[in-house]
Amino acid sequence: NAGVTQTPKFQVLKTGQSMTLQCAQDMNHEYMSWYRQDPGMGLRLIHYSVGAGITDQGEVPNGYNVSRSTTEDFPLRLLSAAPSQTSVYFCASSRQGTGGGNQPQHFGDGTRLSIL
Amino acid sequence: GIQVEQSPPDLILQEGANSTLRCNFSDSVNNLQWFHQNPWGQLINLFYIPSGTKQNGRLSATTVATERYSLLYISSSQTTDSGVYFCAVTNTGGFKTIFGAGTRLFVKA
Repeated sequence: NAGVTQTPKFQVLKTGQSMTLQCAQDMNHEYMSWYRQDPGMGLRLIHYSVGAGITDQGEVPNGYNVSRSTTEDFPLRLLSAAPSQTSVYFCASSRQGTGGGNQPQHFGDGTRLSIL
Repeated sequence: GIQVEQSPPDLILQEGANSTLRCNFSDSVNNLQWFHQNPWGQLINLFYIPSGTKQNGRLSATTVATERYSLLYISSSQTTDSGVYFCAVTNTGGFKTIFGAGTRLFVKA
C-alpha cells in the first residue's frame, strides 16, 4: 500500500519563489492536513481539509495556500517563499470521526524545504 | 486553543529499563494519539487512545480523559525505541489536531 505520498522529498528555493508541495493518499480518507516541523520542535498545523472542496486554517496558515479538488490530493502552495519557511513539511490523512475530530492519522515521509 | 504539554522533554535510558512518558492537555478531547518519530524522521502512529488503556507488545498507553492526561509506558526498552515521542490531541467537536513538543528518548546499549 502506498499510503500517504509526498513529493518532492527535498527542495531548495530562493526567497520570493513559489512552489507547490504535493500530497496524495490512496486510502479514501476524508481528512487531510499539513504540518511543519522546525528543529527541536513539535509539529504545527498549517491547514486542514475535512473533504473535497472544504479547507480551513490551522495554527500557522500565513504564507501558505491549499485547495482540495479531489479526495486523494491536498497540495500546499508557498506563494512567495521566505527564509522563515525553511522547515520539514508533513502531510497526514485519516478517516473522519463522528462528532468531529478524526481517526488515527497516517503521515507521509515529509518534504525537507530550504529557502535561501 | 488547546494546550498540550509533554514530560519529560528528554530521557536517557539503559537498554532494558522501563519508562513512563506523560501528556497533559488543557481541554476536553475526542481524539488522542501517540506517535514515534524515528531517527530518519518518519512518524509512526503508536496508539489512537481517546480514553482507556491499550497495549501493543512492549508499549502500552492509558488516557484518563476526565483528568486530561495520557501516559505512554515503554517496558524493556531497546535501542530501536530511540527517537521522539509525540502526543497529539483533537479537541471535542473540532478538527484541529495539536501536537505537544515531544519527549526525546535515547536508549543506550
